[in-house]
Amino acid sequence: EAQVTQNPRYLITVTGKKLTVTCSQNMNHEYMSWYRQDPGLGLRQIYYSMNVEVTDKGDVPEGYKVSRKEKRNFPLILESPSPNQTSLYFCASSSGTGGKTGELFFGEGSRLTVL
Amino acid sequence: AQSVTQLGSHVSVSEGALVLLRCNYSSSVPPYLFWYVQYPNQGLQLLLKYTSAATLVKGINGFEAEFKKSETSFHLTKPSAHMSDAAEYFCAVSVNTGFQKLVFGTGTRLLVSP
Repeated sequence: EAQVTQNPRYLITVTGKKLTVTCSQNMNHEYMSWYRQDPGLGLRQIYYSMNVEVTDKGDVPEGYKVSRKEKRNFPLILESPSPNQTSLYFCASSSGTGGKTGELFFGEGSRLTVL
Repeated sequence: AQSVTQLGSHVSVSEGALVLLRCNYSSSVPPYLFWYVQYPNQGLQLLLKYTSAATLVKGINGFEAEFKKSETSFHLTKPSAHMSDAAEYFCAVSVNTGFQKLVFGTGTRLLVSP
């Protein structure tokens, strides 16, 4: 089954404790992206990657890091989480053609709470 | 810069009634426009998209949207609401930078009552 898998789905952590949210897709997609969803703000892009070893900032990259060492994986790293990073996070992927037309496949989301 | 505005954070309809979710876009070039749906505790999935072919676009689950350049609108409609349509709906515009970047609206939650 074609899917984007995120882990963990739910996480409560404390300020300053490094964490990683993993994202893996099994569709051989070139394009992957991270979004955060906040009430009243919709989805905002954090980082994206057009292929292995190619990453770039989205609209709200501060406080986040990413890496793309393999095509299927695109982890989101919070080096020192703060309460304003409490949010619902989504990973998404797209093929080359889909990337050009905006057809994204989303994971089920990771709800992060930073105390 | 391209952007979308969704009017109404919540829309309530009765089962069987017309669904109308509004989206207006801002773009200096012909846009690609999308509607995504998010069911509770799930990720977003593509409902339909406009990519400069037919202005009336049909999507899944009986939804459709009409691109109106003169009104800069891309409203989502469904003739008869079902309880299963209760979800959050996001309009999005694609920014033409090679690999397309999607800019999402703030979302509209559709509530369907019996």
